[in-house]
Amino acid sequence: GQQVMQIPQYQHVQEGEDFTTYCNSSTTLSNIQWYKQRPGGHPVFLIQLVKSGEVKKQKRLTFQFGEAKKNSSLHITATQTTDVGTYFCAGSVDSSYKLIFGSGTRLLVRP
Amino acid sequence: DTEVTQTPKHLVMGMTNKKSLKCEQHMGHRAMYWYKQKAKKPPELMFVYSYEKLSINESVPSRFSPECPNSSLLNLHLHALQPEDSALYLCASSQPFSGNTIYFGEGSWLTVV
Repeated sequence: GQQVMQIPQYQHVQEGEDFTTYCNSSTTLSNIQWYKQRPGGHPVFLIQLVKSGEVKKQKRLTFQFGEAKKNSSLHITATQTTDVGTYFCAGSVDSSYKLIFGSGTRLLVRP
Repeated sequence: DTEVTQTPKHLVMGMTNKKSLKCEQHMGHRAMYWYKQKAKKPPELMFVYSYEKLSINESVPSRFSPECPNSSLLNLHLHALQPEDSALYLCASSQPFSGNTIYFGEGSWLTVV
């Protein structure tokens, strides 16, 4: 079946260090969305990427969608303690409503 | 603040109880979703409603019964649940087109005892 793999599972960084999480799909995605979930919270939408090779930035966050639309990454520059949480990628295929979630990357930031 | 509101935020129920989770959105979205999330796992899709009609049921056991009374409301009726059904239940909504952004509510934390 369709799968979206996400690595790493867990990362612990010193505040100020950079962080990257990677997402890989077994099938071509029509789009990919990224969510952040704080501990005890709910997934909050960050961004959606639709075009092949697309790059979008939100302040210290940079999102990329691969040329083949099978992979994506989220890079955080100079992490802060407010970045703590689990980052999920989620992709949809063709005309399906179903979002296939990656397994998530849990980010901890040491102050 | 989320524009998808869920009640109750916390629910403890026995295995013989009948309870309901409720969800409301005022974004004019015509697709609504129920997801289940276990600790340290991604959300898992349970049901999708599009224009108030059930369009996806991810082979969810019949002890979970969804209902969409109108375009703004979504309920999840619970009966004879098992302890392993304890989880965070997330409601979400979107425009009814593939690839549209899905907005989640804050969730209902369910514990089955």
